[in-house]
Amino acid sequence: QVQLQESGPGLVKPSETLSLTCAVSGDSVNNHKWNWIRQPPGKGLEWIGYIDYSGSTNYSPSVKSRATISVDTSKNQFSLKLSSATAADTAVYYCARSIEGWELYDSTGFYYFDYWGQGTLVTVSS
Amino acid sequence: QSVLTQPPSASGTPGQRVTISCSGSSSSLGRINVNWYQQSPGTAPKVLIYTNNRRPSGVPGRFSGSKSGTSASLAISGLQSEDEADYYCAAWDDSLNGWVFGGGTKLTVL
Repeated sequence: QVQLQESGPGLVKPSETLSLTCAVSGDSVNNHKWNWIRQPPGKGLEWIGYIDYSGSTNYSPSVKSRATISVDTSKNQFSLKLSSATAADTAVYYCARSIEGWELYDSTGFYYFDYWGQGTLVTVSS
Repeated sequence: QSVLTQPPSASGTPGQRVTISCSGSSSSLGRINVNWYQQSPGTAPKVLIYTNNRRPSGVPGRFSGSKSGTSASLAISGLQSEDEADYYCAAWDDSLNGWVFGGGTKLTVL
């Protein structure tokens, strides 16, 4: 069973860097793509970005200039750093695995988030 | 503002069938596959439907999805109280080179 667990400070000061880590068990970070997704209080989901099995990254245009996702294969975990944090970054942050491939029986493609962490609330406030 | 548009709310009584729509432009939904996620209060989202109409193992058959043109739908038949949750559509958008989510629909079971 694949499990993901976010960790990091729950409170970050404005202009500082928000840093989170996602520990993965039941799978290797050398497989698939590993994502960060956030949800401001009372609002919807927003994809932040992913890192894939080769270490390549892809970010949402809304955070691209401030976000860095990295992976530590020795610890089987990946991380998010979001610089110059503001109150607008206050959210529950989720890490999630995305899988993609082709159905064996009809060759239809699939690509979706199949495992999620429980989420961690990060508040940006002085 | 989401690229994918969902109604903010929906409701139904136990046993009823409800549908939730997800619409997008031809550049987003027209050529791409839609996934649906259920988020019960205080929990992480969980995939319900992938590739428009496929159910992962463990998801009850009363959840179904469809897509036609630039609109997708999630249908829940035999509505149960535990179905009260927020539902999100999502898709990979090639033009944005990223994932996009609908704004979410809060389903109330009356």
